[in-house]
Amino acid sequence: LAKTTQPISMDSYEGQEVNITCSHNNIATNDYITWYQQFPSQGPRFIIQGYKTKVTNEVASLFIPADRKSSTLSLPRVSLSDTAVYYCLVGESNYQLIWGAGTKLIIKP
Amino acid sequence: EAQVTQNPRYLITVTGKKLTVTCSQNMNHEYMSWYRQDPGLGLRQIYYSMNVEVTDKGDVPEGYKVSRKEKRNFPLILESPSPNQTSLYFCASSLYRTGGYGYTFGSGTRLTVV
Repeated sequence: LAKTTQPISMDSYEGQEVNITCSHNNIATNDYITWYQQFPSQGPRFIIQGYKTKVTNEVASLFIPADRKSSTLSLPRVSLSDTAVYYCLVGESNYQLIWGAGTKLIIKP
Repeated sequence: EAQVTQNPRYLITVTGKKLTVTCSQNMNHEYMSWYRQDPGLGLRQIYYSMNVEVTDKGDVPEGYKVSRKEKRNFPLILESPSPNQTSLYFCASSLYRTGGYGYTFGSGTRLTVV
């Protein structure tokens, strides 16, 4: 199971675009890249999942380069309510994921 | 509303007293998992289930049991709880193994074993 490396914390301001990069050098051919958001004392919330290139949904975009050794979660125009921990995970199924410490994102007014 | 429901939300119990944390999902999901979350250790998977009567151990299964007699329910059983099982527990479910859809998590059960 591939492990991931992401920044421990990041700060940004309301209205800015935030990009969180995740490194996964040992990603396997069948692995997907998945991002979750978690608020204190709540269950994680699925944000986005992708395999290659770019995936976009109503809340975020996921950019994956051709070598798939990294990925970038992009949050457009963040607000204070986006302050949370963001987890990057890789695995070939939803139940085969190793959860790291995540990135604590703090949005300032 | 589509959701994963865990009960209870909070539980304080004594060492050795058997307990069950219930988990139910109303989305007809195949896949379900139990996780525990401890400060500094992230989420760790306890057990998962790929369908009715199909369960498998995760990373930290010792001291826990599960069952999947119906698709919607996946209870977590602690036969003889110990203080090191004090933690925040999450149940999660997913329709797909992967492919663009992740897990839906419950609101959590905060367990304290004294």
